Amino acid sequence: AQSVTQLDSQVPVFEEAPVELRCNYSSSVSVYLFWYVQYPNQGLQLLLKYLSGSTLVKGINGFEAEFNKSQTSFHLRKPSVHISDTAEYFCAVTLSEGNTGKLIFGQGTTLQVKP
Amino acid sequence: KAGVTQTPRYLIKTRGQQVTLSCSPISGHRSVSWYQQTPGQGLQFLFEYFSETQRNKGNFPGRFSGRQFSNSRSEMNVSTLELGDSALYLCASSLGVGRGTDTQYFGPGTRLTVL
Repeated sequence: AQSVTQLDSQVPVFEEAPVELRCNYSSSVSVYLFWYVQYPNQGLQLLLKYLSGSTLVKGINGFEAEFNKSQTSFHLRKPSVHISDTAEYFCAVTLSEGNTGKLIFGQGTTLQVKP
Repeated sequence: KAGVTQTPRYLIKTRGQQVTLSCSPISGHRSVSWYQQTPGQGLQFLFEYFSETQRNKGNFPGRFSGRQFSNSRSEMNVSTLELGDSALYLCASSLGVGRGTDTQYFGPGTRLTVL
């Protein structure tokens, strides 16, 4: 079975500061990795995904994530956050084998950007 | 291109009733997945439909069911509602052929409240 652990439930940070949201996963088979963002009263929007290749993945809105296979981690980073980045962020995995639309999500991290 | 639409956006029901939620995927997408989001359990996968067939199923009781029509629109039904079914129900669509690599596009969700 697969599982995803987001290590921080809330991350407060000041505007223009860097931020890292941590995600670890557990799986006995290969997985693909995703980060989604959810703004209040909205659905989820894909920030970035890792399928293969370069372990540093760049996404939308200036976010990037690094896949570390040995540490089974996929941490999300942004060098300088804005007030508008305040939202909930979800790390997710899906199996790399078989046709599947099943995403397994972490519990989410609330990013609170303060002025 | 229009995004994923879900109707209704808000719904209030009482215990014991049943409810049907609807999801219209992005044009050309053949896979529709459903997720339940609650503060306690987070985001949990309900089921996935592809070309009118259930391709994957989460760990929910049989009161939760779904179907997909030939135009890829999907409905999910919850019978004999319980208080614990109060949640945001999210629908996601994707091309469905990418063996887990497809991006899932989420709708805004249906907020179900069971009284």
